[in-house]
Amino acid sequence: QKEVEQNSGPLSVPEGAIASLNCTYSDRVSQSFFWYRQYSGKSPELIMSIYSNGDKEDGRFTAQLNKASQYVSLLIRDSQPSDSATYLCAVNRYDGGSQGNLIFGKGTKLSVKP
Amino acid sequence: GAVVSQHPSRVICKSGTSVKIECRSLDFQATTMFWYRQFPKQSLMLMATSNEGSKATYEQGVEKDKFLINHASLTLSTLTVTSAHPEDSSFYICSAFDRRDYGYTFGSGTRLTVV
Repeated sequence: QKEVEQNSGPLSVPEGAIASLNCTYSDRVSQSFFWYRQYSGKSPELIMSIYSNGDKEDGRFTAQLNKASQYVSLLIRDSQPSDSATYLCAVNRYDGGSQGNLIFGKGTKLSVKP
Repeated sequence: GAVVSQHPSRVICKSGTSVKIECRSLDFQATTMFWYRQFPKQSLMLMATSNEGSKATYEQGVEKDKFLINHASLTLSTLTVTSAHPEDSSFYICSAFDRRDYGYTFGSGTRLTVV
């Protein structure tokens, strides 16, 4: 079983719609969770981090974490063509105060159609 | 926010030569940096963890004698690909952990092509 799993997509949504990206992880002791966006040929850029169960909102983005189900998601409201990219879910087994490495999923490619 | 500078952004080298990639944290001290490799349409795979003042920790299957990592200061880590071969062609990305916000900031990546 892969440590961090994501649907590779592509996920296609119309402009203005909500894009929903999902991620599951296998290590129950994982403590911190991250969503990164990666444009083709570029390095990842952080969108959000989440550490506690529940929702965390930042602008058009909402991250949701359910540790019991080992599931983390990212919702993008009012999707824009500029949101078209690959979204990487990353997990760290340590809490925010430790500098363990991130384990990445393969990423979900999102395409927002004008 | 934290800034990590990575150079060069692109490099083409001949098979058998060595290439050095630099990763610098510009506005914070990074005791730990991470080196990733990403092949086309694949995710980031951790190669090694670079610790300031000590030896790097390599992931299983990564040859430490081929991928030399030096983290001599709190703001600089280097990755040297020695005796490069075409199969080493990849996108190499560094990341630094910032204790100020517990965040991981990535460098802009280095596209290595070995011909």
